[in-house]
Amino acid sequence: DTAVSQTPKYLVTQMGNDKSIKCEQNLGHDTMYWYKQDSKKFLKIMFSYNNKELIINETVPNRFSPKSPDKAHLNLHINSLELGDSAVYFCASSLSGIAKNIQYFGAGTRLSVL
Amino acid sequence: AQSVAQPEDQVNVAEGNPLTVKCTYSVSGNPYLFWYVQYPNRGLQFLLKYITGDNLVKGSYGFEAEFNKSQTSFHLKKPSALVSDSALYFCAVRRDSARQLTFGSGTQLTVLP
Repeated sequence: DTAVSQTPKYLVTQMGNDKSIKCEQNLGHDTMYWYKQDSKKFLKIMFSYNNKELIINETVPNRFSPKSPDKAHLNLHINSLELGDSAVYFCASSLSGIAKNIQYFGAGTRLSVL
Repeated sequence: AQSVAQPEDQVNVAEGNPLTVKCTYSVSGNPYLFWYVQYPNRGLQFLLKYITGDNLVKGSYGFEAEFNKSQTSFHLKKPSALVSDSALYFCAVRRDSARQLTFGSGTQLTVLP
């Protein structure tokens, strides 16, 4: 069983559309994250939820909205997609606490905005 | 504040030779340091971490890293490189009061047969 699974793996869409990416983890973790990896492979945190509460909300356009229906799920909705949103988006999860803060990553969703 | 630097975008090494991937950090307070590896079209995988204790940390796949507080470094090492070690390696840091990891820019390791 995949520990952190994201769907879809690939997403090709037109500018201006709205799209969602789903993430689920079956590790029993209490914290989940969304990262954006750009074309130069630079990895940047976008959001983090701990027990369904938003705890990290980096400087991300309002068009991006995370939703955590429960501890095992963290979805990302993107409104009015722009060319610059093209990237690979990774979901990750971990237990809270420094010693246990090993993050487990999904395989990524490659978003291409045309 | 916390930041991490990986000064080399690319490291090439011959199979069987030792490898080093460099990382330096800057934090206020105690640093917690991590190495992750990313294979093509995959998510990041945890390799090893330094929280406290011994400065030499051993991790997965024969990798190890040495925490050097005076040089603020946490270099990743392996005594004998394999072609299958070729991947993108990320160093990450977190200070004890922070809620998030800060990742370096990544180093592409290529092991030549």
